[in-house]
Amino acid sequence: DAKTTQPTSMDCAEGRAANLPCNHSTISGNEYVYWYRQIHSQGPQYIIHGLKNNETNEMASLIITEDRKSSTLILPHATLRDTAVYYCIVRLNTGGFKTIFGAGTRLFVKA
Amino acid sequence: EAGVAQSPRYKIIEKRQSVAFWCNPISGHATLYWYQQILGQGPKLLIQFQNNGVVDDSQLPKDRFSAERLKGVDSTLKIQPAKLEDSAVYLCASSSLAGGYNEQFFGPGTRLTVL
Repeated sequence: DAKTTQPTSMDCAEGRAANLPCNHSTISGNEYVYWYRQIHSQGPQYIIHGLKNNETNEMASLIITEDRKSSTLILPHATLRDTAVYYCIVRLNTGGFKTIFGAGTRLFVKA
Repeated sequence: EAGVAQSPRYKIIEKRQSVAFWCNPISGHATLYWYQQILGQGPKLLIQFQNNGVVDDSQLPKDRFSAERLKGVDSTLKIQPAKLEDSAVYLCASSSLAGGYNEQFFGPGTRLTVL
């Protein structure tokens, strides 16, 4: 079973920030939070990952709470092309790590 | 760099027939994954290879599914015989541990329809 809980769907207006929450209350100390997204008819695409510090790259920002039990993926200026299913995953970075995808959050960006 | 290649992109078969999918990972990636994605669900890991050895196949239905990774590069996933519930997209992904983290690169998938 997935170790994360995400809302089923969310809407966002084009040009506004999209904030996608994820709960991972059973995360262990050496597990990372990864985010992937899947645009219709494509394979999932890596977005960002983090351990405990906030992270930012050219695609998004990842905010992890101090207790690491939840996180938020932020798309600062959502575009129509960001409409996709977003998956939050917790996993180890080494060894025989297993990636378990939940159902994800379906984000609809509207014009 | 070239991405993960998969073929065929689409396949339609009748139940009890056999089918095989092929995956060519990104050059140099030691780890290769096969996922099954049923419509409306997230991908489910079927099998994970590290080079040509199996790391995890706990969710592979071994009575009908088999996979191999020849020489630690290309991989083939086979279903024999197929059932209606095998209709899904089969995704291949690869990764390396360069940089100390595990970003998986996914191919476009093979959409299988079992009639």
